[in-house]
Amino acid sequence: DVVMTQSPLSLSVPLGQAASISCRSSQSLVHRTGNTFLNWFLQRPGQSPRRLIHLSFIRESGVPDRFSGSGSGSDFTLNISRVEAEDVGVYYCMQGTHWPPYTFGQGTKLDIK
Amino acid sequence: EVQMVESGGGLVQPGGSLRLSCVASGYNFNIYPMHWVRQVPGKGLEWVSRISDDGRSATYANFVKGRFTISRDNAKNTVDLQMNSLESEDTAVYYCTGDANSLGDAWGPGTTVTVSS
Repeated sequence: DVVMTQSPLSLSVPLGQAASISCRSSQSLVHRTGNTFLNWFLQRPGQSPRRLIHLSFIRESGVPDRFSGSGSGSDFTLNISRVEAEDVGVYYCMQGTHWPPYTFGQGTKLDIK
Repeated sequence: EVQMVESGGGLVQPGGSLRLSCVASGYNFNIYPMHWVRQVPGKGLEWVSRISDDGRSATYANFVKGRFTISRDNAKNTVDLQMNSLESEDTAVYYCTGDANSLGDAWGPGTTVTVSS
């Protein structure tokens, strides 16, 4: 199974400041098709997860452009350029290249300092 | 607007069975695979099962061990999860989710399964 490792596991950021979450996989996530099936999700308190990014860098419709995904191979990053109050929650990376199983990172909890 | 709504959760004794159901609306249901993902309260997300768009192919997490069966009805836009031989470790919120451009494009609110005597 592909192991997804996120860091840090918690993050406290002042409003308006930048935040960065790392996600590393135990093997390359480049699929034989050339796609990289790496997704980022946000789960706000008391809510279901919401996908922010798919294919490692493509922002979902309606996701603010302060969110960006980058990286390749086995090393990925979610960046938030200016943190807002609504960004609080737990962020998960997930790989869909080598399945089954699909595997998630442990989650990174973001709160406002 | 895309909506997915799960139902069928509840309290069941160890060794018992439950059937979860998810109905999707506003979604191109019959062209995408569907998944069930679970979350133990206070813990992370865990993939459970996937079914292909035509319902012919199903895959499961190892911990399912032949106890769960996923199915779908494209005429009704539903995906079900039959869970047998339930264990306390299966206690979680169960979400159904779609697979447009990979897992997780749309999620329901979840249904809670509690396995306890």
